Amino acid sequence: GAGVSQSPSNKVTEKGKDVELRCDPISGHTALYWYRQRLGQGLEFLIYFQGNSAPDKSGLPSDRFSAERTGESVSTLTIQRTQQEDSAVYLCASSLREDKYNEQFFGPGTRLTVL
Amino acid sequence: AQSVTQLGSHVSVSEGALVLLRCNYSSSVPPYLFWYVQYPNQGLQLLLKYTSAATLVKGINGFEAEFKKSETSFHLTKPSAHMSDAAEYFCAVRYSGYALNFGKGTSLLVTP
Repeated sequence: GAGVSQSPSNKVTEKGKDVELRCDPISGHTALYWYRQRLGQGLEFLIYFQGNSAPDKSGLPSDRFSAERTGESVSTLTIQRTQQEDSAVYLCASSLREDKYNEQFFGPGTRLTVL
Repeated sequence: AQSVTQLGSHVSVSEGALVLLRCNYSSSVPPYLFWYVQYPNQGLQLLLKYTSAATLVKGINGFEAEFKKSETSFHLTKPSAHMSDAAEYFCAVRYSGYALNFGKGTSLLVTP
């Protein structure tokens, strides 16, 4: 079976442009997470979806960041008016359900570079 | 703020030697603990997780970790390193809610 996929794998953009990052979770996984990994740092939590709703958006760094999920599958993370500090690897993960031990399966990430 | 600390951003061991990667968490209440591995150009993969059934947890590829409440630690070990173990290792903790708190990672280098 397919794992979590993300597209694009690499994105280079100019400061001020908007970008959209896509995540396809494992089929049937109701929980979906976005994380960000800056160079030399650990992963930072951004947002969590259960189905199509987002009960926890506490990690979104500013109102330039938004995410949606449709059909309990694909999720899109949008960054408006990108800044150089947005440069990072954006990772998506999904899990079968939400419980304290449930394994999160990670995608390969999208490397975003803002010039 | 609750945190996860991985001591040593880079660890180098010889093939066949003991691997020890350190992880400490900051909480008086034992959280949920995980180790992930990231091989070059691949996504993160779960190595093992602490479920409170036993303090010594065995994972994939011969790795294990011991939960020590008195030391607030969850160090990862492997008795004998293989070249294929070279990767980035992340300790992760779930204190509450849905998110995992990750350490900054430790890059393991295995030399012949």
